[in-house]
Amino acid sequence: EDQVTQSPEALRLQEGESSSLNCSYTVSGLRGLFWYRQDPGKGPEFLFTLYSAGEEKEKERLKATLTKKESFLHITAPKPEDSATYLCAVQAHQFYFGTGTSLTVIP
Amino acid sequence: GAVVSQHPSRVICKSGTSVKIECRSLDFQATTMFWYRQFPKQSLMLMATSNEGSKATYEQGVEKDKFLINHASLTLSTLTVTSAHPEDSSFYICSARVLAGGEETQYFGPGTRLLVL
Repeated sequence: EDQVTQSPEALRLQEGESSSLNCSYTVSGLRGLFWYRQDPGKGPEFLFTLYSAGEEKEKERLKATLTKKESFLHITAPKPEDSATYLCAVQAHQFYFGTGTSLTVIP
Repeated sequence: GAVVSQHPSRVICKSGTSVKIECRSLDFQATTMFWYRQFPKQSLMLMATSNEGSKATYEQGVEKDKFLINHASLTLSTLTVTSAHPEDSSFYICSARVLAGGEETQYFGPGTRLLVL
């Protein structure tokens, strides 16, 4: 069964405390893995697309990596404005979304 | 990145009425758009895939006669919730498929909050 699991469900970090969010997947025929940021009451905002194991992409304090079973979103020295829910989605014959990790960065 | 808009952003209606939600791609053409609904603290649930000029493809368990989708142009898809009931209250989000430089992704609208009284 195709499945996407994100962990942890919620994460509280002190400002400047780096950490990683995990997205594990079991799908047949992976075509792409996507990371989105979602603020309360808003639609998801696109962050990254990863296509193959070993691929990495960076944007400001965020870095996404991909293996054959999972993806990590690394957040380096986070700031309070990084607080949001981070969603991972996997594209096989359709998109499968994880339930997200709610990140809170405390000043 | 590509911009997708939705209208209205919030709507309150009485039970039994119909509500139309518009999804527009503002600076690009989208042959494929998707409609999702999201319950509080839950992930997005794909409802249907909207293809320009053809019938929408609905996910299992989604009533096509209740959630009418029309994709009449390359920049507009509409979702009409017919005879809405309180259990239809939710956050509805659309997205547009974008293909560029060999990469495919989805850009999301800001969502529409529907409350059925």
